[in-house]
Amino acid sequence: AQSVTQLDSQVPVFEEAPVELRCNYSSSVSVYLFWYVQYPNQGLQLLLKYLSGSTLVKGINGFEAEFNKSQTSFHLRKPSVHISDTAEYFCAVSDRDSSASKIIFGSGTRLSIRP
Amino acid sequence: GAGVSQSPRYKVAKRGQDVALRCDPISGHVSLFWYQQALGQGPEFLTYFQNEAQLDKSGLPSDRFFAERPEGSVSTLKIQRTQQEDSAVYLCASSLGRSGELFFGEGSRLTVL
Repeated sequence: AQSVTQLDSQVPVFEEAPVELRCNYSSSVSVYLFWYVQYPNQGLQLLLKYLSGSTLVKGINGFEAEFNKSQTSFHLRKPSVHISDTAEYFCAVSDRDSSASKIIFGSGTRLSIRP
Repeated sequence: GAGVSQSPRYKVAKRGQDVALRCDPISGHVSLFWYQQALGQGPEFLTYFQNEAQLDKSGLPSDRFFAERPEGSVSTLKIQRTQQEDSAVYLCASSLGRSGELFFGEGSRLTVL
């Protein structure tokens, strides 16, 4: 069975500082990987996804993530955060080779930006 | 509308009452997912439809939970004899395909008293 671990429940950073949100997954098969963001009082929206190809994936709002198969990780990074990045971030995984695979989410990391 | 629509947005139920939550996916989206999100937690998978076929219902917590999508479009999540532990936000998401982007509705917040 697949699972996702987000190691940090909360990450406080200062504005314009870099940030890394960690995500590790557990799966015995090939996977698709996703990061979703939930801004306050809004629904979840896709930030970026890894399906195949280049292991470095760029998403919206200056975020990027790197797929590391050997470490089963998909950490999210941004070189300089803004107040507007304050949100909850969810890593997610699904089985690439199944025609009927659910998408499993991690427990989330709350990113709070200090001015 | 252009997005995923869920109704009602808020529902307060007395313990033991039955509730029905509706999801209107984006037109043409084949895949539809239901998730349960407790306060401070990530979305927990409940069930998945591809068109009208329910391909995975392994996440439904008990036989009090039932979901359907009879015509491959609108879906309803029904909870019978609600319990306090059912209190959560129920999220619906749709996509064109399994590897595609999930488009989420704003959720239905259920409070069971």
